[in-house]
Amino acid sequence: NAGVTQTPKFRVLKTGQSMTLLCAQDMNHEYMYWYRQDPGMGLRLIHYSVGEGTTAKGEVPDGYNVSRLKKQNFLLGLESAAPSQTSVYFCASSATSPTTGELFFGEGSRLTVL
Amino acid sequence: GNSVTQMEGPVTLSEEAFLTINCTYTATGYPSLFWYVQYPGEGLQLLLKATKADDKGSNKGFEATYRKETTSFHLEKGSVQVSDSAVYFCALSVRSSGSARQLTFGSGTQLTGLP
Repeated sequence: NAGVTQTPKFRVLKTGQSMTLLCAQDMNHEYMYWYRQDPGMGLRLIHYSVGEGTTAKGEVPDGYNVSRLKKQNFLLGLESAAPSQTSVYFCASSATSPTTGELFFGEGSRLTVL
Repeated sequence: GNSVTQMEGPVTLSEEAFLTINCTYTATGYPSLFWYVQYPGEGLQLLLKATKADDKGSNKGFEATYRKETTSFHLEKGSVQVSDSAVYFCALSVRSSGSARQLTFGSGTQLTGLP
């Protein structure tokens, strides 16, 4: 069972470079999320999607863009990376709203911006 | 707004010791409450949940009771094992428009069980 798969798992960027993180889920979930995890701050929501073709801003959206062109994929883009975006990024998906549904997480993508 | 406050770690316990990790919350509405666990090198996974006041969530020997009067959802386990070593996150989701689609997480508590 693949569940939620994130690629790449590790990446080092220079300031100003761009990159895209890919999240793929095989559970036919409607909801997908991108979080970042920083020491002492828990997980903070960057963007989320409640269905194919929809996206919405979370708590810390600045500097990131997302797209949900296919139901199973949720892409997170950094157009011009900054050192403050050094973090571990987690993608998650759920069948229903988090109020009632369990979130399933990927293993994380560690990004370092120099 | 919504927020979750967890006790700061790290917490180090000998095997078979009693575990409590405190969690309190602030919510603009009626939240559902969750504990997620992150084992080393892995993503988070749901440990237990409670959706209304006085509900008790339980799983793998862990328990937490939804206390509306004290706005708390403390995690407990009677006998910690080395295999419980992980980071534990308290989280909430509120049943209202917009925020119902988000989980708000606490900062996490690192637990280490010693043999």
